[in-house]
This record gives sequence, C-alpha cells and structure tokens, in this order.
Amino acid sequence: IAGITQAPTSQILAAGRRMTLRCTQDMRHNAMYWYRQDLGLGLRLIHYSNTAGTTGKGEVPDGYSVSRANTDDFPLTLASAVPSQTSVYFCASSQREFTDTQYFGPGTRLTVL
Amino acid sequence: AQSVTQPDIHITVSEGASLELRCNYSYGATPYLFWYVQSPGQGLQLLLKYFSGDTLVQGIKGFEAEFKRSQSSFNLRKPSVHWSDAAEYFCAVGSLFTGGGNKLTFGTGTQLKVEL
Repeated sequence: IAGITQAPTSQILAAGRRMTLRCTQDMRHNAMYWYRQDLGLGLRLIHYSNTAGTTGKGEVPDGYSVSRANTDDFPLTLASAVPSQTSVYFCASSQREFTDTQYFGPGTRLTVL
Repeated sequence: AQSVTQPDIHITVSEGASLELRCNYSYGATPYLFWYVQSPGQGLQLLLKYFSGDTLVQGIKGFEAEFKRSQSSFNLRKPSVHWSDAAEYFCAVGSLFTGGGNKLTFGTGTQLKVEL
C-alpha cells in the first residue's frame, strides 16, 4: 500500500541523547515536511524540503536538523534532545504543485526525560 | 502572517444530529483552506480543500465546508453525525513555498465527541 512510513512508532529518550526519526514515502512526492503536534498548539512545521537536495526551516526549527539525500527519505535528527522536544512528530509529503494535498504518516511519539 | 483560529476546543453532539465546526482564518491574499481529521493514534487525513470556484466544497465521509470571504470563515458541516466521526478536526490555511509544495498553518483543533 502506497504511503508514508515513520519509525520508530514511539521512543523514550534520555535528555542529551541524539535521535533520528525516520520517514519514507513511496509516492514519488517532491515535497516533504516534518511537524510536531503538541496539546493545545495544533501542528507546527519544523522543517521542509521542496525537492531532493534542498531543505528549509519552518516555524520551530531550533534543535532539529533534516537532510534530503533522495526523493523517498526525509530523516529528522535531534542532536541533543531536551524535555521540551517531547511531542508527537508527523512526517508528510505532497507533490510539487501548490494545490496538491499533503499526506501524513502515522506519527512518532517521542518522550524526552 | 497567516493564522487559523478554531474557537471550539471540544464539541459534543448526539449521533444523528447535525454538526458545524468553526474555523476563522487570517491571510493577506486569497486563502487556500483545508480541513483534516485525526482519529486517535492516527495521522491526519484530508477531508476537503478549497482553492477557488464554488464556495461550498464537498468532501469525504459526507462532510462539506463553506468559504465565506466576508467573514473570513471556512466552517465544516455534516448533516447527520455518526459515532465513527468522533475525532479531532483541524482547519489549515495554505500558502506557497518558493520552489514547490505548500506551507500549512494549522488551527489548534476541535475535539469532537459523539454521544450514542
């Protein structure tokens, strides 16, 4: 079934540790996105990528980095996790056109202690 | 800067009753508007979207939304709610990213509870 996969499903992490959240899509979408979802705040954009080889900062990029080596994969890295990064993280993708729908993965629940 | 307000954090309706979820947006140009639904433990699924044309938009699962420019609103409606509609609903406004794709700004969501 075509779509977006995210791994891990959930993770508990000690503060200060490095963590990479994985995201893979098989729809050949050009654009990919990372959001975090926090209670009462909705979803906020962390980083995005218009196409392979390019990335950009979203609304809340501090403490996160991304790479886009190919079309399908868009990993999100927390270099040194802090408790405020406890959240549910969603990866999404869309085609190139502005009017195209964003499709979301199932999410990764991350707890930083 | 664009923004979205969903004034109702929680709404409870009886099964079979009608539903309206409110969404107000702030955007400098013609808005591109979306409604997504999130079931517990799931990702977001698109219900419907508005870009241009007819201001009444039909979506999946029997939902519709009406764009009212004068009120800066894009309210979601359903004539008869089913128990399976219990979920969280997000309104979003989209803008263009240079180079492709779109930037979605989400509201804070409305949690819908359906009483049997």
